[in-house]
Amino acid sequence: DADVTQTPRNRITKTGKRIMLECSQTKGHDRMYWYRQDPGLGLRLIYYSFDVKDINKGEISDGYSVSRQAQAKFSLSLESAIPNQTALYFCATAGTGGRTYNEQFFGPGTRLTVL
Amino acid sequence: KNEVEQSPQNLTAQEGEFITINCSYSVGISALHWLQQHPGGGIVSLFMLSSGKKKHGRLIATINIQEKHSSLHITASHPRDSAVYICAVSPGYGQNFVFGPGTRLSVLP
Repeated sequence: DADVTQTPRNRITKTGKRIMLECSQTKGHDRMYWYRQDPGLGLRLIYYSFDVKDINKGEISDGYSVSRQAQAKFSLSLESAIPNQTALYFCATAGTGGRTYNEQFFGPGTRLTVL
Repeated sequence: KNEVEQSPQNLTAQEGEFITINCSYSVGISALHWLQQHPGGGIVSLFMLSSGKKKHGRLIATINIQEKHSSLHITASHPRDSAVYICAVSPGYGQNFVFGPGTRLSVLP
């Protein structure tokens, strides 16, 4: 079983709809991240969380919100989706000790299309 | 100017060729990472470097801290090496990654 899972894997929605992308991990990591990937732009950080009570904005948080329901779960919401939020979204985790402190582990990605 | 740059942006090679992908960065780092993203989308970590050189199978990664430059080499390339290769740096211990734009590699049979 994958250590970091994302649901759904693909989603097509319409402008103005509320969308939630979910991420779950079994690695026991405290740190979790949400990124979006656009062609030619690389991965950009949306939000990150260092534990259940710690939520931080990344470089492109406008139009997004997150919820850290438990250590293992980190959800990303688009309150009112717009077409330029069409992208590939990745969740990632990182540990807080040893080698894993400087390494991130990625989920399989969610391809979101906003029409 | 982006903090992490990669070259080339796109690369097409014939099977068996030696391939080099370059990464330059402008910030101080605690580690540099090479990631591989296959056409299916998933991202896996290939190497984490803070100095010197690492080798795994046909892949070799080097870093020159003074010149703020890293290279990823693939020897005897194979079509299954076709992927996007992403360079990322950790500016400080445990700090958030800064990603390069990626290099798209296609290896033709």
